[in-house]
Amino acid sequence: DGGITQSPKYLFRKEGQNVTLSCEQNLNHDAMYWYRQDPGQGLRLIYYSQIVNDFQKGDIAEGYSVSREKKESFPLTVTSAQKNPTAFYLCASIKAVPGTGELFFGEGSRLTVL
Amino acid sequence: SQQGEEDPQALSIQEGENATMNCSYKTSINNLQWYRQNSGRGLVHLILIRSNEREKHSGRLRVTLDTSKKSSSLLITASRAADTASYFCATEGYSGAGSYQLTFGKGTKLSVIP
Repeated sequence: DGGITQSPKYLFRKEGQNVTLSCEQNLNHDAMYWYRQDPGQGLRLIYYSQIVNDFQKGDIAEGYSVSREKKESFPLTVTSAQKNPTAFYLCASIKAVPGTGELFFGEGSRLTVL
Repeated sequence: SQQGEEDPQALSIQEGENATMNCSYKTSINNLQWYRQNSGRGLVHLILIRSNEREKHSGRLRVTLDTSKKSSSLLITASRAADTASYFCATEGYSGAGSYQLTFGKGTKLSVIP
């Protein structure tokens, strides 16, 4: 079955540590996205990539980094520079050229800083 | 940012009743989409309505779009307990340099009481 797989589902981090969230898709989608969701809030865009080896900052990119070495994979690193990283992180991808279709989402990764 | 704003923030109804959620936005859009999120899960796409459409149906869902008022509504008819979830509108618009962005609202939390 095609879909988006995020791992891990739950992650705990000590302050000062970097962590990497995995996102893999087998839908042959070109564009991939990372969103952050805080309780009772909407989704805020962190980074997005429309093609391999290229990505752009979203609205809240500070303290995060990404890479897009393969079409299927778009990992997100939450660095120690992110001051308030506890949140629910969602990865998404889109089939068509952005502007013409809907996003497919993974099941999310919940990061808690201890 | 052309963030959509949903109204109400929370809605509680009896099973069998209809549920109506509204979304307002600020700038011109390419399309407007509605998503559903069960607690702790990823978002699932429900329906997309283009800027030149006024109404769209999908099963028990009916979406309207009024571009002159910059607003949309989502109607769920004959609600079921399984419809309990958060519902988000997302507006898609041109963000420059040949790319489009989806901007999400904060959502309406729907509770359907059996």
